[in-house]
Amino acid sequence: GENVEQHPSTLSVQEGDSAVIKCTYSDSASNYFPWYKQELGKGSQLIIDIRSNVGEKKDQRIAVTLNKTAKHFSLHITETQPEDSAVYFCAAYSTGGGNKLTFGTGTQLKVEL
Amino acid sequence: GAGVSQSPRYKVAKRGQDVALRCDPISGHVSLFWYQQALGQGPEFLTYFQNEAQLDKSGLPSDRFFAERPEGSVSTLKIQRTQQEDSAVYLCASSLDDRGQPQHFGDGTRLSIL
Repeated sequence: GENVEQHPSTLSVQEGDSAVIKCTYSDSASNYFPWYKQELGKGSQLIIDIRSNVGEKKDQRIAVTLNKTAKHFSLHITETQPEDSAVYFCAAYSTGGGNKLTFGTGTQLKVEL
Repeated sequence: GAGVSQSPRYKVAKRGQDVALRCDPISGHVSLFWYQQALGQGPEFLTYFQNEAQLDKSGLPSDRFFAERPEGSVSTLKIQRTQQEDSAVYLCASSLDDRGQPQHFGDGTRLSIL
């Protein structure tokens, strides 16, 4: 089955700096890669996603890149703000593994003033 | 409401008790998923429904776990004879179509087994 690894587990940046979170996946059949933001006591909010036929996608300060050959994808947050502080999860969806997401172990992002 | 609604938000039970967790998906969403999230970990798949049909239950950890979605909308996850290792946050997600892309999550039920 699919295996997703996520790094780093914790990330601390200064307000205004950029943050990058990286994930790798194992199943070459995976074709959809969402990123979720989880704030304390809340559910997971979808912040951006990318499909395997696209190499990069941007939404304001957030971007995701995908390298299918290397089987890795990354989340980029620019001009970080304190409200970006949360746990971020990457996930991969494999057509061969049923209609389910396999998640990474999460990255605790802290944006310091 | 517009989002996925889960109840209760918190549940405390004694070991050996049965519990039932409820999920109200976004209206009209075909697909419904249950995930289990242990502390400090990512969500892990439990089971998947397409309308009322349970198409995948490969993630259910034991036969003490049972899920249903009898009318293709509200779903209930039941855990019988709870054990301490069942303590986790249980997340429900729904998706408009049968591809499960994207999945919209509820706030979860935090289950604590004493």
